[in-house]
Amino acid sequence: GAVVSQHPSWVICKSGTSVKIECRSLDFQATTMFWYRQFPKQSLMLMATSNEGSKATYEQGVEKDKFLINHASLTLSTLTVTSAHPEDSSFYICSAASSGRQYFGPGTRLTVT
Amino acid sequence: RKEVEQDPGPFNVPEGATVAFNCTYSNSASQSFFWYRQDCRKEPKLLMSVYSSGNEDGRFTAQLNRASQYISLLIRDSKLSDSATYLCVVNRGYSTLTFGKGTMLLVSP
Repeated sequence: GAVVSQHPSWVICKSGTSVKIECRSLDFQATTMFWYRQFPKQSLMLMATSNEGSKATYEQGVEKDKFLINHASLTLSTLTVTSAHPEDSSFYICSAASSGRQYFGPGTRLTVT
Repeated sequence: RKEVEQDPGPFNVPEGATVAFNCTYSNSASQSFFWYRQDCRKEPKLLMSVYSSGNEDGRFTAQLNRASQYISLLIRDSKLSDSATYLCVVNRGYSTLTFGKGTMLLVSP
């Protein structure tokens, strides 16, 4: 149980375009999901906390207008990277909270050319 | 000071060796503590929680010293499959996790 999926698993896009990443909890409901970003040889950095039915809470330094988060249902949160630039290339990982634990998705590798 | 600090390694050990990783955290109000394992280009996976009394899971032993704000992980009888990056993780409340940069372990035959 407690499986989290992400789609797509990898994506290559051109600079200036937008990319949407989906995070789904497959066998449980999650009122809270988290979005992380990990650059090579760096730690996972929390970008935002996504709460179902309300606005996401962004960490300091993360632009909410650039990284749009929607958590419209108890099993789905989406992260849209708007006007992507090469410096946005990273590994984006979501997690879903259940019973005090976080369950991680397999991650989405974004490359912006 | 970073919230969670770890020696990045890499730690190169032969199979069968015992290896220890350390971690310090800065927020004394941190509530719970974990070790995660992350393989290259994969998501982190929970290895074990860490309790003040110390806890053991097979070849893995974790310790927490709240007074020193120090967490450790001991791996005995290292296997090739233990090669990975080990992440020290602190829950600072409201299910919000803070990750260390990780310590890389390479176990060789």
